[in-house]
Amino acid sequence: GENVEQHPSTLSVQEGDSAVIKCTYSDSASNYFPWYKQELGKRPQLIIDIRSNVGEKKDQRIAVTLNKTAKHFSLHITETQPEDSAVYFCAASWSGGADGLTFGKGTHLIIQP
Amino acid sequence: DTAVSQTPKYLVTQMGNDKSIKCEQNLGHDTMYWYKQDSKKFLKIMFSYNNKELIINETVPNRFSPKSPDKAHLNLHINSLELGDSAVYFCASSQQLAGSYEQYFGPGTRLTVT
Repeated sequence: GENVEQHPSTLSVQEGDSAVIKCTYSDSASNYFPWYKQELGKRPQLIIDIRSNVGEKKDQRIAVTLNKTAKHFSLHITETQPEDSAVYFCAASWSGGADGLTFGKGTHLIIQP
Repeated sequence: DTAVSQTPKYLVTQMGNDKSIKCEQNLGHDTMYWYKQDSKKFLKIMFSYNNKELIINETVPNRFSPKSPDKAHLNLHINSLELGDSAVYFCASSQQLAGSYEQYFGPGTRLTVT
């Protein structure tokens, strides 16, 4: 089955700086890669996703890049703000089957004022 | 107009008991899921289900069973609860067959087994 590795487990950045979280996946059949943000005590919420036919996607301050050959994808957050503090999860799945998402272990992002 | 809802929000019970968690989605989605988030925040798929197919994660004990009375509901039954079952359980749904894979999560049910 799919295995997703996520690094780092904790990331502390100064407000206004950029943050980068990296993930690798093992199953070359995976073709859908979402990123979720989870605030303390809340549900995971999708912030951006990318499919395997696209190399990069951007939505305001967040962007995701995908390297299918190397089987890794990254989340980039620019101009970080205090409200960006949360746990971020990457995930992978094969969208052709309804077998759920395989998640990385999460990155606790801390924005220092 | 909550998209995915779960009840109860909190569940405290003793070892050996049987309990159920209910999930409902009003998005018209065709596929529903149960995930378990343990104390280290690791999210793991337990089941996925549409009206044709149930996919079970092989690591899930058979004390856990999903039951779907209709397309909008997927309940989770747990028999003979153990201490290690304590976790937050999230229900989710997606419109898989239409090619939109975004999964919407419910608010979670925090299960504590004593």
